[in-house]
Amino acid sequence: DTGVSQDPRHKITKRGQNVTFRCDPISEHNRLYWYRQTLGQGPEFLTYFQNEAQLEKSRLLSDRFSAERPKGSFSTLEIQRTEQGDSAMYLCASSPDRGLYLETQYFGPGTRLLVL
Amino acid sequence: KQEVTQIPAALSVPEGENLVLNCSFTDSAIYNLQWFRQDPGKGLTSLLLIQSSQREQTSGRLNASLDKSSGRSTLYIAASQPGDSATYLCAVRNQAGTALIFGKGTTLSVSS
Repeated sequence: DTGVSQDPRHKITKRGQNVTFRCDPISEHNRLYWYRQTLGQGPEFLTYFQNEAQLEKSRLLSDRFSAERPKGSFSTLEIQRTEQGDSAMYLCASSPDRGLYLETQYFGPGTRLLVL
Repeated sequence: KQEVTQIPAALSVPEGENLVLNCSFTDSAIYNLQWFRQDPGKGLTSLLLIQSSQREQTSGRLNASLDKSSGRSTLYIAASQPGDSATYLCAVRNQAGTALIFGKGTTLSVSS
């Protein structure tokens, strides 16, 4: 396993611009999660995929946010019309299907977004 | 709604000390609880996972306990080292929903 990878690691953008982040999960992990973390806080759940199906979305995921996992492998998270409040670390995690009690989520290094 | 609280928010200890980090949660209907480590500006590394039916898990110098009925977990770190300096996060996997619910973390500083 090479681990969960995310690209880019850092992104600086101006308010109003669109940004897209990519996550490559550990191969054969069919579950994929996106979280957002702001300074001094724990990660907060955004959305969850089982293979290519997006099965759950948080209320944090406004209509400016969209996530896809078209072939059940990598995933993208797009933020349209960015706002300064979107500045955060965006974390991706994946897990194999080993049952709910044993599920361990493996996190990527994150993409740090700064909206000016 | 599940809420996870970690105490203390920050902790400074000299090298070699044993220490305990605390985590509490409000809803005992969980599948498991995980402890993570996060270095500054980095992602999360899973340390220990305790299933809801278990009482504790050990990995090297780390021991995590779980008392589901009282909504409490502790992470015990033995013989702390400067390399243990990081933020430690506790997270629960609810029986309702699919996400991990995290606390805000405890930032540990171990001085040599």
